[in-house]
Amino acid sequence: EPEVTQTPSHQVTQMGQEVILRCVPISNHLYFYWYRQILGQKVEFLVSFYNNEISEKSEIFDDQFSVERPDGSNFTLKIRSTKLEDSAMYFCASSGQGGTGELFFGEGSRLTVL
Amino acid sequence: AQTVTQSQPEMSVQEAETVTLSCTYDTSESDYYLFWYKQPPSRQMILVIRQEAYKQQNATENRFSVNFQKAAKSFSLKISDSQLGDAAMYFCAGGASGTYKYIFGTGTRLKVLA
Repeated sequence: EPEVTQTPSHQVTQMGQEVILRCVPISNHLYFYWYRQILGQKVEFLVSFYNNEISEKSEIFDDQFSVERPDGSNFTLKIRSTKLEDSAMYFCASSGQGGTGELFFGEGSRLTVL
Repeated sequence: AQTVTQSQPEMSVQEAETVTLSCTYDTSESDYYLFWYKQPPSRQMILVIRQEAYKQQNATENRFSVNFQKAAKSFSLKISDSQLGDAAMYFCAGGASGTYKYIFGTGTRLKVLA
């Protein structure tokens, strides 16, 4: 069964460093998303991406964040200069249709900022 | 603004018994979708069940059913004949039709007792 894959599963970084989280969405999906979950808190929407551009973003997704689909398969989230409060589990998701179609999630990338 | 509230951080159920997880979804939108996602330990979130707000009939998927009370903003998940494999974190989520983002609740951890 096709699934969304994410790498790395866990990354530890120093505050101020750049981090890139990678995702391979399901191959025929067109809509891509990043969510994050700070430990013990709710899952929060960061950004959605369609047709090589951002469709929606939350207030969390500030200038320190960027997303890219560098080739036909990967979807990346870059955090330019990490802060302690960026420590969270980051989930990538994809869907075959937009506008509240079913999201298929990856297992998440745990980011720890020291 | 939309809010999703899950007031039960943790629930327990005996194997083969029935359990109901609660969720409230508050939105000013008239057309929206509601979801229950299941997240087993160290695994990705998977969709359990989905409800379109405009539909009067409650959604059912095998042992999983919802009780959607639109006026009361209530969207509860009932799991019948609980199995050990049902043990997981359950997230309620909602999204307005035409948008690309879901709002998640804080989750309910379900324990199934043998």
